[in-house]
Amino acid sequence: GENVEQHPSTLSVQEGDSAVIKCTYSDSASNYFPWYKQELGKGPQLIIDIRSNVGEKKDQRIAVTLNKTAKHFSLHITETQPEDSAVYFCAAYNAKTSYDKVIFGPGTSLSVIP
Amino acid sequence: NAGVMQNPRHLVRRRGQEARLRCSPMKGHSHVYWYRQLPEEGLKFMVYLQKENIIDESGMPKERFSAEFPKEGPSILRIQQVVRGDSAAYFCASSRGATGANVLTFGAGSRLTVL
Repeated sequence: GENVEQHPSTLSVQEGDSAVIKCTYSDSASNYFPWYKQELGKGPQLIIDIRSNVGEKKDQRIAVTLNKTAKHFSLHITETQPEDSAVYFCAAYNAKTSYDKVIFGPGTSLSVIP
Repeated sequence: NAGVMQNPRHLVRRRGQEARLRCSPMKGHSHVYWYRQLPEEGLKFMVYLQKENIIDESGMPKERFSAEFPKEGPSILRIQQVVRGDSAAYFCASSRGATGANVLTFGAGSRLTVL
């Protein structure tokens, strides 16, 4: 089955700096890689995703890159703001099968210091 | 458009009691997933259900835990004879179809505290 690792587990950055979170996956059949943001006391919310036929995707201050050969993908947040403080989870699964269990990484707690 | 609705948001039980957590998926979604999140930990898959069917319960503890998604009404995660280790946040997610075709939308979670 799929195994997703995520680093770092905690990350502190100054407001305005960039933050990078990295994930690796084990199953070469995985082709869909979403990122979720979980604010304190709330459920995870999808913020960006990438499919295996794309190397990079951007949405304003956030971007995700994928290296299929190395089986890793990363979340990049530029010009961080205090409201970016949250726990971020990556996930990997096979979106081409009728069903595949969604396995999440262990999460990264991001703190943006004003 | 109501999202995934979970209730109760907070539940306190004494050891040995039963806990019932309810999840109403988003309108138009017929697939439900339950995840457990222990304090300071990630999201652990428990069970995946469609209407009236359990598709994958590989993450569910073998004893005391059960889940259902009846033809009418919300999905229910039931924990019998709760123990302190069951204290966690339980999240429900739904999708329009099977995971392969659709992303998961999560509810706000139900936080269970066992005294």
